[in-house]
Amino acid sequence: TQLLEQSPQFLSIQEGENLTVYCNSSSVFSSLQWYRQEPGEGPVLLVTVVTGGEVKKLKRLTFQFGDARKDSSLHITAAQPGDTGLYLCAGASSGGSNYKLTFGKGTLLTVNP
Amino acid sequence: DTAVSQTPKYLVTQMGNDKSIKCEQNLGHDTMYWYKQDSKKFLKIMFSYNNKELIINETVPNRFSPKSPDKAHLNLHINSLELGDSAVYFCASSQVGGAGGEQFFGPGTRLTVL
Repeated sequence: TQLLEQSPQFLSIQEGENLTVYCNSSSVFSSLQWYRQEPGEGPVLLVTVVTGGEVKKLKRLTFQFGDARKDSSLHITAAQPGDTGLYLCAGASSGGSNYKLTFGKGTLLTVNP
Repeated sequence: DTAVSQTPKYLVTQMGNDKSIKCEQNLGHDTMYWYKQDSKKFLKIMFSYNNKELIINETVPNRFSPKSPDKAHLNLHINSLELGDSAVYFCASSQVGGAGGEQFFGPGTRLTVL
């Protein structure tokens, strides 16, 4: 069974601070995705990283995939209240019709004004 | 236009009852999924269907029976509801193929079993 350990589980910071969320596994994933979920809604994809060592930037968000494709991190610079939400990492096990995502337990981020 | 829609949004019922949740996607995707999100926000896959065929069944109790009448619809029927079934159920869809297929989630159905 593939497991994704996500940390921290909860994070409450002030506007303007930086933060990093970690996603670790002992398994290798074909790709890793980061989703953001707001209350009462379904998760929405932020980014997919596929290649080991890959770094992707989305405005103030920086995503990194580990060289061995077992771990990933999400770094937010100068967090804003609008960044508040549940951040979920998800590892993809394979392509084709057996494609499956294994989710981490999420990081609930609160950015206070 | 809503890409993945679910009905109902909220479902409150008594233990032992049978209920259904419906899901429809208008994205033309081949694959649809059901996920369960518990009170601690842990999102776990239950089933996946590809072109109406069951692909993944993550050891879900037999009381849960998905049905896919066509590739745009995936419904979930639950028999003999139990307290532990209380959760938010999400439907999702994706296009098959490749290593990084994005999954599009519906808004969720909050099921409360009393």
